[in-house]
Amino acid sequence: QQQVKQSPQSLIVQKGGISIINCAYENTAFDYFPWYQQFPGKGPALLIAIRPDVSEKKEGRFTISFNKSAKQFSLHIMDSQPGDSATYFCAASRGTGRRALTFGSGTRLQVQP
Amino acid sequence: EAGVVQSPRYKIIEKKQPVAFWCNPISGHNTLYWYLQNLGQGPELLIRYENEEAVDDSQLPKDRFSAERLKGVDSTLKIQPAELGDSAVYLCASSFLGADEQFFGPGTRLTVL
Repeated sequence: QQQVKQSPQSLIVQKGGISIINCAYENTAFDYFPWYQQFPGKGPALLIAIRPDVSEKKEGRFTISFNKSAKQFSLHIMDSQPGDSATYFCAASRGTGRRALTFGSGTRLQVQP
Repeated sequence: EAGVVQSPRYKIIEKKQPVAFWCNPISGHNTLYWYLQNLGQGPELLIRYENEEAVDDSQLPKDRFSAERLKGVDSTLKIQPAELGDSAVYLCASSFLGADEQFFGPGTRLTVL
């Protein structure tokens, strides 16, 4: 059972453009929604995370938008740069740090110069 | 500060052979995770430790996989015997007990021939 569905599978964006990646979840018990960034040969690294009590969180060029009623959340990367080219994973978990993460299938982002 | 250390980084073995992976978490992190990442997919939990206790191993194929974290610090994941379908990246992550953020190691890429 795929509890976190992520789209698109791949994305090509021009430098300076906006990258948008979407995720939908099924388990209403999830209460922590992070986005991880993974470069080839590296482990995933936390980029930004949100809890359901807010609808948006912004950190620099990265913004999470969260829609609790639709059970969807998205990552927006503003002013995308070639250095942002990586694979992005959404994830979800329930409980305060006492559960493993359930990851989406990933989005391979390529930012063209 | 050193991150999560994993070794070896790469391993190539023949099917039916045993293999072991080692993980040293970030100092002070009580919780340790082993994830399996298939090519083009998000990580999937195999086992989670709180100190030396395995608190979630429901996804670990216990007929061939085993893990240990004897002193509550570093951990070893073993496969015996390996099958072709075990070819994947094995990721180790750690966190403080109760904390949301998980820190991932670079992973061990296993190829079973």
